[in-house]
Amino acid sequence: AQKITQTQPGMFVQEKEAVTLDCTYDTSDPSYGLFWYKQPSSGEMIFLIYQGSYDQQNATEGRYSLNFQKARKSANLVISASQLGDSAMYFCAMREGSRQAGTALIFGKGTTLSVSS
Amino acid sequence: DAGITQSPRHKVTETGTPVTLRCHQTENHRYMYWYRQDPGHGLRLIHYSYGVKDTDKGEVSDGYSVSRSKTEDFLLTLESATSSQTSVYFCAILGSGSYEQYFGPGTRLTVT
Repeated sequence: AQKITQTQPGMFVQEKEAVTLDCTYDTSDPSYGLFWYKQPSSGEMIFLIYQGSYDQQNATEGRYSLNFQKARKSANLVISASQLGDSAMYFCAMREGSRQAGTALIFGKGTTLSVSS
Repeated sequence: DAGITQSPRHKVTETGTPVTLRCHQTENHRYMYWYRQDPGHGLRLIHYSYGVKDTDKGEVSDGYSVSRSKTEDFLLTLESATSSQTSVYFCAILGSGSYEQYFGPGTRLTVT
């Protein structure tokens, strides 16, 4: 079974609109972390936002917020006020276990976001 | 910028030849990782290192070996490259917050 599922291969949004990219995860470990990365067409992987499983509040970083619903095992990325530069592939990822373990990330297959003017 | 460089950035090689990819970091991070990215698969872990000479296998380690003789360098070797190893290879480090990983620019490897 997939540990990280991103069901939207592609999403389209107009500039200045908000968009939600879906991510569901599967783990039995009570301690885990959830991440979102952006990969523009130039190819680099850019860390956007992190949510720990014990964090009480949803993470926010500028225009990015993570809608963390623990009971539903979902960690959706919300981008407010989309910009043309937001067009990219977005990956959801999970780390299982204690953060001190340096555990590797498990990635979803990604969602391509296209922002139009 | 986490000070991660990868070399080479692009390489074309023939089936059966050995290939070594290098990841170099300048900030003394303990944990380093090698991932490969293929269409439809996202990124998958090949090997990782938790210190000098300390390495372990990841999900897709067959056909790959790694070495870390000093903190700043993590080498990925394909002993005998195959066409199935055509991919984009990313190196990553565990950031100072001990949760986020930062990635290098990637190496595009084509095995003909």
